[in-house]
Amino acid sequence: KQEVTQIPAALSVPEGENLVLNCSFTDSAIYNLQWFRQDPGKGLTSLLLIQSSQREQTSGRLNASLDKSSGRSTLYIAASQPGDSATYLCAGVSYGGATNKLIFGTGTLLAVQP
Amino acid sequence: EAGVAQSPRYKIIEKRQSVAFWCNPISGHATLYWYQQILGQGPKLLIQFQNNGVVDDSQLPKDRFSAERLKGVDSTLKIQPAKLEDSAVYLCASSLGDRGHGELFFGEGSRLTVL
Repeated sequence: KQEVTQIPAALSVPEGENLVLNCSFTDSAIYNLQWFRQDPGKGLTSLLLIQSSQREQTSGRLNASLDKSSGRSTLYIAASQPGDSATYLCAGVSYGGATNKLIFGTGTLLAVQP
Repeated sequence: EAGVAQSPRYKIIEKRQSVAFWCNPISGHATLYWYQQILGQGPKLLIQFQNNGVVDDSQLPKDRFSAERLKGVDSTLKIQPAKLEDSAVYLCASSLGDRGHGELFFGEGSRLTVL
């Protein structure tokens, strides 16, 4: 059974710092991986999608990478801003079966202090 | 482009009552998902539709939860009777690709409180 762990569970940094969020899967056979942002009381906003043929994706100050051999992904946020404060969730699709279920981690709660 | 629409945003009911949530996916998205997110946890898939057919409902508590997607567009999720542990946010998502291969887009969610 695929399980997803996100480390750290919570993180507080001063504005301007670069930071890394980690995500790991018990089953390394990941088809694709998606990072989301969730603000309090809101739904999930898609940040980056790494598809099966890719190893990383970049959007603005965000960079996500996926190491399929180890089943680990990192989300790098450069020059963090208070507006980046939110919960960040990773989710992966595993190979096998007809439905290829998307499994979520429990998230990292990020607070960027001004 | 309009996003995934959900209603109601908030619902408070007594245990053993029933409730229904509605979702309208992004136009043209064939796959629709209902997720349950309990406070402090990641979303858990309840049911996945491909057009109007169910492709995965293995984690749906079928004794009390039901969902349908008539005509392959919008969908409703019903809980009857509700239990205290059903208090959660119910998230609807849609994707263009099938079988989980595409990027998922989520609605704002419907927050359920069962008293």
